[in-house]
Amino acid sequence: SQQGEEDPQALSIQEGENATMNCSYKTSINNLQWYRQNSGRGLVHLILIRSNEREKHSGRLRVTLDTSKKSSSLLITASRAADTASYFCATDDSSYKLIFGSGTRLLVRP
Amino acid sequence: NAGVTQTPKFQVLKTGQSMTLQCAQDMNHEYMSWYRQDPGMGLRLIHYSVGAGITDQGEVPNGYNVSRSTTEDFPLRLLSAAPSQTSVYFCASSYRNANTEAFFGQGTRLTVV
Repeated sequence: SQQGEEDPQALSIQEGENATMNCSYKTSINNLQWYRQNSGRGLVHLILIRSNEREKHSGRLRVTLDTSKKSSSLLITASRAADTASYFCATDDSSYKLIFGSGTRLLVRP
Repeated sequence: NAGVTQTPKFQVLKTGQSMTLQCAQDMNHEYMSWYRQDPGMGLRLIHYSVGAGITDQGEVPNGYNVSRSTTEDFPLRLLSAAPSQTSVYFCASSYRNANTEAFFGQGTRLTVV
């Protein structure tokens, strides 16, 4: 079964707005990662947050992690049309298996 | 530096045929893995390898074989293709294990008729 589940499944916003995606997972983790996938392409790593971290920033990305609630959120600020993609969270159920959620499809309208 | 290279990009097979999807990385990564992606289901782990000579099963291993004779290559074999194996297949590698950033290939779109 999938470890991470993203919410919402799809999100449509206007350029310049912020986009927030959430991820919930089931078991204890070492860290949580977020990836982006443009249509028809492979996944690209965005950010990794360790289980002992609560918040991490990278450019316009902000990730939070709440291990007590087994949840994480990805915030993209000042969105651009180029941010249109699917976003996935991924967690490790051990050091050997990286398990992905089903993703959030983000559409940023110009 | 090519990263992770998958071949072929597209493939059509008839039911019962076998084939090998190739994956090679030039980053000297120890950990490699194969995923399949179906609409609305995200990525599911098929097999993974923590180093040359070592492989193990993921979430959906049935119908697939892997081997890891070198650090660079991690081929995925479909033994007897079935329509249920129609999917997009992604190979990924990371420096040491699943806890580090994964680098993905561009994918192989496989159709089994």
